[in-house]
Amino acid sequence: GAVVSQHPSWVICKSGTSVKIECRSLDFQATTMFWYRQFPKQSLMLMATSNEGSKATYEQGVEKDKFLINHASLTLSTLTVTSAHPEDSSFYICSANDRRGIETQYFGPGTRLLVL
Amino acid sequence: QKEVEQDPGPLSVPEGAIVSLNCTYSNSAFQYFMWYRQYSRKGPELLMYTYSSGNKEDGRFTAQVDKSSKYISLFIRDSQPSDSATYLCAMSAGTSGSRLTFGEGTQLTVNP
Repeated sequence: GAVVSQHPSWVICKSGTSVKIECRSLDFQATTMFWYRQFPKQSLMLMATSNEGSKATYEQGVEKDKFLINHASLTLSTLTVTSAHPEDSSFYICSANDRRGIETQYFGPGTRLLVL
Repeated sequence: QKEVEQDPGPLSVPEGAIVSLNCTYSNSAFQYFMWYRQYSRKGPELLMYTYSSGNKEDGRFTAQVDKSSKYISLFIRDSQPSDSATYLCAMSAGTSGSRLTFGEGTQLTVNP
C-alpha cells in the first residue's frame, strides 16, 4: 500500500514552454501533498504544500506564478512549470500524506526535467 | 545551525558489515522519526518509522530513537551491495500538515 505515482518520469522541453507534472496517490487518499526539488548530491528542498481544494502554500523564495500547483482531488496534484528556463532543470518529486495513516510522507518516483 | 544534522559521508563498507547511520536534531518538538532510502534518480522510499523514543526492528534494519539525547540511528545488519544508496533521516512534530525536516543524507556504498 501507500503508492504514489508521477507522470511523466522524464521530460525534455524547449526554453519558454510550460511543463505539467502529475502526482497521484494510487491506493489512499492524501490529506496533503508536497512538491520537492532535488539537485544532484543534495537533499530534498520543499517547494510547496497543497491541500485538496485550497491554494498551495509556497516556501520562501519559490515563485508561485512560475510553479503553479493545482490539487484537484484527494488523489491528484499537479505542478506546472511555466515558461521554463534551463535553470529550472532539476529532479522534481512529490509526496503525499495518508489521511488515515501514520504521520509521514510517501514519495513518488520523481520527474526529471531538462530544459534546453 | 541546522535543525537536523547528518554526516553526508560517503560511507564505504564491505559486504556483510554492520552499518550505523546517525542523525542529531535540535527541535525538542519532533515526535515522529523516519528513515528513507533513496537510490540514484529515484524517489525516497520509507524504510523505518518510529514514534517517540525506542527501538524498532524490521528484518536487517533497526531504528533507534533517543529523545533525551536528540539522537536517532539506523543500523543495517549483514549489509548487501543492494543496500548501496543514500539514506535520509527525517522528522516531524506532527503539526504543520506533516511537514518533514530532512537531514542531508548519507551516501552508502556496500562493496562485494
